[in-house]
Parts: sequence; C-alpha cells; structure tokens
Amino acid sequence: AQSVSQHNHHVILSEAASLELGCNYSYGGTVNLFWYVQYPGQHLQLLLKYFSGDPLVKGIKGFEAEFIKSKFSFNLRKPSVQWSDTAEYFCAVNGGGGFKTIFGAGTRLFVKA
Amino acid sequence: GAGVSQTPSNKVTEKGKYVELRCDPISGHTALYWYRQSLGQGPEFLIYFQGTGAADDSGLPNDRFFAVRPEGSVSTLKIQRTERGDSAVYLCASSLDRRNGYTFGSGTRLTVV
Repeated sequence: AQSVSQHNHHVILSEAASLELGCNYSYGGTVNLFWYVQYPGQHLQLLLKYFSGDPLVKGIKGFEAEFIKSKFSFNLRKPSVQWSDTAEYFCAVNGGGGFKTIFGAGTRLFVKA
Repeated sequence: GAGVSQTPSNKVTEKGKYVELRCDPISGHTALYWYRQSLGQGPEFLIYFQGTGAADDSGLPNDRFFAVRPEGSVSTLKIQRTERGDSAVYLCASSLDRRNGYTFGSGTRLTVV
C-alpha cells in the first residue's frame, strides 16, 4: 500500500530564511508526486507536481521540489521564505497508473515577519 | 463553474441522523474524489469516481457511508446513523487526469453532536 511521510509537523522560520520540507513515500512503481498548500482560511491548492522528466520541479511562488528516486523522496524547497508563505503544506503521491492519491499528514509552516 | 463547489459549507447534526453532502465538480472533469480531513491530519481518501461509476471505494470506513454520481457530474456523499467520530471536514476534488493534480473545493465541515 502507498504511504507518505512528512518529517516535520511544525516549522517556524524567520523571513528570508531558506525552507526545506521533507517528504518520503513508499511505493515501488512509477509515481506521480505533488505538493499542495493550504493558506489560512483557504482551500487546498496545487503547488507543484512531478510525473516524469527533470527531477527538479519548479512551482508557483518560487517553490521547487526534487524527486530522488533512490531515496523515495520529494522534498520541497524555497530559498527565501516570506511571511505570506505561512500555510500548511501537504505532500501527496499516486502510483501504479491509478487516480487515488495518498496525502501526508502535513507540515504547518509559520513565518515570522 | 469555475471551481469545485461544495454545499453546505457547514453542517451540524445530531448523532444518529442522516446527512447528505453535495459536490459540484469542474465542468468536464471526469474524475471526482471524496476525502475526509480530521484536525491535524492530511486528507484521507474515501472514494473516487470515473464518470458515473465508483472506480475505487476502498476508503469508505464502513457501510454507513455511501456516495453516488448518477449523471457523471454532481456527486452526493451520504452518511447514515452519524456518529461523533464522523465529525471532520469532507473534501471533494475533481481532475482531468491523474497527472495534473486535483482541484479541491472548500469542504463541508460536519459536526455530529
């Protein structure tokens, strides 16, 4: 069965600090990988996705993620966070040609102004 | 419509009652998903529709939960004999295909008292 593990439940950073949120998944076959973000009071929205090709994926608002197949990882990064990045971030995976997507428990990021 | 619409946005019901939650997906999205999100957790898969049929209902917790999508568009999640443990935010999402990620609605917050 697929599963997703997010390493940190809560992260607190100051503005301009660099961000890396860890995500590991368990699935032996071909996967599609996603990061979703939920800003306070808003619904979940797609931040970036990977399904093939360049393992370094760029998304909206300066976020990027790197797929490392050998480590079953898909970590999210941003070189310099802003106060407006305060949100909850969810890593997600679907695999095996299916549509069902499994989500991690989420990482709550708070950026101090 | 432009996005995924869920109604009602909030529902408070008494233990033992029956509830229906409605989802109106993005026009043209053939895949529709229901998830449940409890406080501090990531979205938990319930059921996925491809067109009118339930392609995967492995996430439905028990036979009190049922969902339909009779015309391949609007879907209704039905919960019988509600229990306090059913309290959560019920999320609906739709997609064109598995690689492009989901578009989520704002959710229905269900509270069973």
